[in-house]
Amino acid sequence: AQSVTQLGSHVSVSEGALVLLRCNYSSSVPPYLFWYVQYPNQGLQLLLKYTSAATLVKGINGFEAEFKKSETSFHLTKPSAHMSDAAEYFCAVNADFGNEKLTFGTGTRLTIIP
Amino acid sequence: GAVVSQHPSRVICKSGTSVKIECRSLDFQATTMFWYRQFPKQSLMLMATSNEGSKATYEQGVEKDKFLINHASLTLSTLTVTSAHPEDSSFYICSTPLGETQYFGPGTRLLVL
Repeated sequence: AQSVTQLGSHVSVSEGALVLLRCNYSSSVPPYLFWYVQYPNQGLQLLLKYTSAATLVKGINGFEAEFKKSETSFHLTKPSAHMSDAAEYFCAVNADFGNEKLTFGTGTRLTIIP
Repeated sequence: GAVVSQHPSRVICKSGTSVKIECRSLDFQATTMFWYRQFPKQSLMLMATSNEGSKATYEQGVEKDKFLINHASLTLSTLTVTSAHPEDSSFYICSTPLGETQYFGPGTRLLVL
């Protein structure tokens, strides 16, 4: 069984400040982990993914995430928030290899304060 | 990148009617399509997996006779909510894998009155 927990349904940061979105996972096998972003009225877009290579993963738009097995975490960070980062962010896990099924967290809505 | 479209983007219907949602892959073939449902403030929950030319596989607790899935071509999968009720009001999203990445449609918001 696999699951994902995203702490904080809403996060607000000032423009230029650090963005930290938290994700913890539960999986009986080493998982693949993903962060997706959803802008209003658009589909989910892949930000980055961890597939058992480097534990620090860099994605698009300046985001990165670090896989920490000891903490079962895969937190998403960005050093300096931009207004365009305002969106809904989803963490997802795939530990059912071969059928590409994803289990999603409940999402975190990121608001950027000017 | 690959694009997946959904139609309609939102639909309002009366209780007891059926609603069809289309999911199309643009410029690439989608052998597999996943259908998700998202209730307010909840996760995307996988409903079913459709494969072109074969019967869909439904997740536990999802009524296959209520949520009819058809994947008759490599670019089109449809989800029909039959005899819709207010509790079926939700956000329905399709996705398809291409390589290691899944591409998502923009979603369809269904409101059943």
